[in-house]
Amino acid sequence: GENVEQHPSTLSVQEGDSAVIKCTYSDSASNYFPWYKQELGKRPQLIIDIRSNVGEKKDQRIAVTLNKTAKHFSLHITETQPEDSAVYFCAASTPDKLIFGTGTRLQVFP
Amino acid sequence: DTAVSQTPKYLVTQMGNDKSIKCEQNLGHDTMYWYKQDSKKFLKIMFSYNNKELIINETVPNRFSPKSPDKAHLNLHINSLELGDSAVYFCASSQAGTMNEKLFFGSGTQLSVL
Repeated sequence: GENVEQHPSTLSVQEGDSAVIKCTYSDSASNYFPWYKQELGKRPQLIIDIRSNVGEKKDQRIAVTLNKTAKHFSLHITETQPEDSAVYFCAASTPDKLIFGTGTRLQVFP
Repeated sequence: DTAVSQTPKYLVTQMGNDKSIKCEQNLGHDTMYWYKQDSKKFLKIMFSYNNKELIINETVPNRFSPKSPDKAHLNLHINSLELGDSAVYFCASSQAGTMNEKLFFGSGTQLSVL
């Protein structure tokens, strides 16, 4: 079955710096790759997603890239702000379920 | 109006007890899910229902029994609670359950088994 690995598990950056979180997946049939943000004590919320027919997608300060050949995708956050501090989850779809990565705790220090 | 709501938000109970968590969505979605998030924050799917029919049943102990009276509701009943059941349980929904669409999560139920 699908396996999603996510790195790093924790990431600390200074406000204004960039942050990059990387994920790899195993099932070449996966075709949908969302990213969820979970603030402390809150529910996970979708922040950006990418489908397998696209190599890159951007939404303001966040972007996602996908390399289907290498089976990895990454989340890029530029000009980080303290409110970006949260746990970020990548995920990859299979025909019947969404498999989540293990999460990255991002801390942005003022 | 909250799109996906679940109750209760906190549940503290003794080992061996039986408890239920309720979930309702007002988005008109066809598919609902239960996810478990353990202390390490791993998010793992437990069940999914599409229009009241069970679609996914991951290797969850049969002490966990989901029930979907209609497509807007998905409840989770847990019998004989164990310490290892302590976690945050999230209900979620999606429009058609094709696995390549946005999931809307409820606010979670923090279950503590003492």
